[in-house]
Amino acid sequence: QVQLVESGGGLVKPGGSLRLSCAASGFTLSDYYMSWIRQAPGKGLEWVSSISTTGSSIYYADSVKGRFTISRDNAKNSVYLQMNSLRAEDTAVYHCARGGVRWFDPWGQGTLVTVSS
Amino acid sequence: EIVLTQSPATLSLSPGERATLSCRASQSVSSYLAWYQQKPGQAPRLLIYDASNRATGIPARFSGNGSGTDFTLTINSLEPEDFAVYYCQQRSNWPPITFGQGTRLEIK
Repeated sequence: QVQLVESGGGLVKPGGSLRLSCAASGFTLSDYYMSWIRQAPGKGLEWVSSISTTGSSIYYADSVKGRFTISRDNAKNSVYLQMNSLRAEDTAVYHCARGGVRWFDPWGQGTLVTVSS
Repeated sequence: EIVLTQSPATLSLSPGERATLSCRASQSVSSYLAWYQQKPGQAPRLLIYDASNRATGIPARFSGNGSGTDFTLTINSLEPEDFAVYYCQQRSNWPPITFGQGTRLEIK
């Protein structure tokens, strides 16, 4: 079955960096846009970034532009989110999701990123 | 940026009743609207795409309607497992893709 599993979250100090990974299985990754969406504790959903099938088109929310970098390796069935210059307001569960041009389906369970000193 | 406003913030109903959730866009999104369900501790699940199409495996009691700026998600004859938070999402004029703030459907 289609599955997305995120990893790489954790506790990091303000200004620090983390790299999130999303392992995809059960479908051909190279056929789909992929995205990252985050959810701050007790809050709603915020789209972060999307990447096209080949990686030639990339989009970011203004809140992360210049600090986060999305990438993918279709041969390794993986999508990544490099997060630099992290701030307290980046604290959230980060979900990987299939899609990005139209809707998101399915979503991974997410990985928690906590930015705190 | 297109802002999606969901109402009500919280809806209290009993099993067997009908739920009607609203999502209003700050400008037209045509029919490019989706609905998601999220239960505590779980990832969101796609229910409806392109305003009125049920996603794979979604029960027929879930239906979506609307176009332009006003959309509704209707859940007929609520089941206990339907009590959750529901979000709308637009992809009409992106980036950015935006979500509504959510409607919490709770048991009365």
